[in-house]
Amino acid sequence: SAVISQKPSRDICQRGTSLTIQCQVDSQVTMMFWYRQQPGQSLTLIATANQGSEATYESGFVIDKFPISRPNLTFSTLTVSNMSPEDSSIYLCSVEEGSSSIYNEQFFGPGTRLTVL
Amino acid sequence: AQSVTQLDSHVSVSEGTPVLLRCNYSSSYSPSLFWYVQHPNKGLQLLLKYTSAATLVKGINGFEAEFKKSETSFHLTKPSAHMSDAAEYFCVVSDLGSYKLIFGSGTRLLVRP
Repeated sequence: SAVISQKPSRDICQRGTSLTIQCQVDSQVTMMFWYRQQPGQSLTLIATANQGSEATYESGFVIDKFPISRPNLTFSTLTVSNMSPEDSSIYLCSVEEGSSSIYNEQFFGPGTRLTVL
Repeated sequence: AQSVTQLDSHVSVSEGTPVLLRCNYSSSYSPSLFWYVQHPNKGLQLLLKYTSAATLVKGINGFEAEFKKSETSFHLTKPSAHMSDAAEYFCVVSDLGSYKLIFGSGTRLLVRP
């Protein structure tokens, strides 16, 4: 399975600022995903990022708040803009590998723990 | 619409005793079903997956799950709990051919010595 890394692993930020989270995969993948896990909660899909096209956002998430880049098949970034304490969460990226895509199996990065003061 | 219900938010067992984590799902089409585990301060790890082959699925670390269509259930079991099994477990459903994963609310497994 793909090896996924995320930077930073954690950060503490001031409200009103922005943070960009990086996700790097050790192999080329078509589909990358960004999830949010609020404290004590389950995972919620933010958006799907395919290389060469605009990200597709789920209901409740907008591009102005969570801009995403996908410049190539191994890398993506998620920016959390104009942060407030409600944005404090773990943000995870995941990938769907080609051999498993028919079954929707996804592999997850270690996550970025964000605290907004 | 797809949905997942994990019936227990917390399960506590003694080391060496069986584990049962319950999951019911709702899906309009042929579902793919997964169990993921999240250890403290770690990422998510895939335990096992059901993809319309055998209804009894074996995963890593001695875990297995049985797909029961008539009961719309996909319960996770392990014959003998180990201290290292203490973690958060998520049941996940997806329609075959859809990229969207729908996560359950999670079950925290506590293992007592």
